Amino acid sequence: DAGITQSPRHKVTETGTPVTLRCHQTENHRYMYWYRQDPGHGLRLIHYSYGVKDTDKGEVSDGYSVSRSKTEDFLLTLESATSSQTSVYFCAIRRTLLSHEQYFGPGTRLTVT
Amino acid sequence: TQLLEQSPQFLSIQEGENLTVYCNSSSVFSSLQWYRQEPGEGPVLLVTVVTGGEVKKLKRLTFQFGDARKDSSLHITAAQTGDTGLYLCAGARSKETSGSRLTFGEGTQLTVNP
Repeated sequence: DAGITQSPRHKVTETGTPVTLRCHQTENHRYMYWYRQDPGHGLRLIHYSYGVKDTDKGEVSDGYSVSRSKTEDFLLTLESATSSQTSVYFCAIRRTLLSHEQYFGPGTRLTVT
Repeated sequence: TQLLEQSPQFLSIQEGENLTVYCNSSSVFSSLQWYRQEPGEGPVLLVTVVTGGEVKKLKRLTFQFGDARKDSSLHITAAQTGDTGLYLCAGARSKETSGSRLTFGEGTQLTVNP
């Protein structure tokens, strides 16, 4: 158990609506990551954070924004959801700076209709 | 552009058989991880390899990092139905401790039939 929860676990929303996904960790780690997983693409990094209010873009950041106002919470927002953002979203943490290992939450399945 | 190519993408075998999954790249990685993912769950870390030529064993699973640190393999001996899942390799390209972005392969979906 990596001490990571994601909410909601499932969501269906309509095109054009804003959506916020939450990642919560209980272990006070500095680094947190948001990925999306799609068939044929594996896991792709959307945004990551290296501290409170410190974030950076990943390889597929267009259409997404993030915020980290507290160490334990990392929020991913889709400002105006599109059908191409239908995916499974995973949050991950990095426990130590001595390693590149990441530990994942259970995921959020988002469907944009 | 997929920096890490996994093969095969799908593998269906009978219980008791051996198998090897490959993870290849033209890029050098400072470390490489293997994850296993079951339906409806997040990936779970199996192992990290760091040194070129390194071999690590986890029960019936053997992981190897290529000498040039551009490729890796996962070998499973006497597969069991419980080995069924999506196997993902992920590489870290930077030796820097900051950021630590991982590049993931597309995954190998393994099905072990009874």
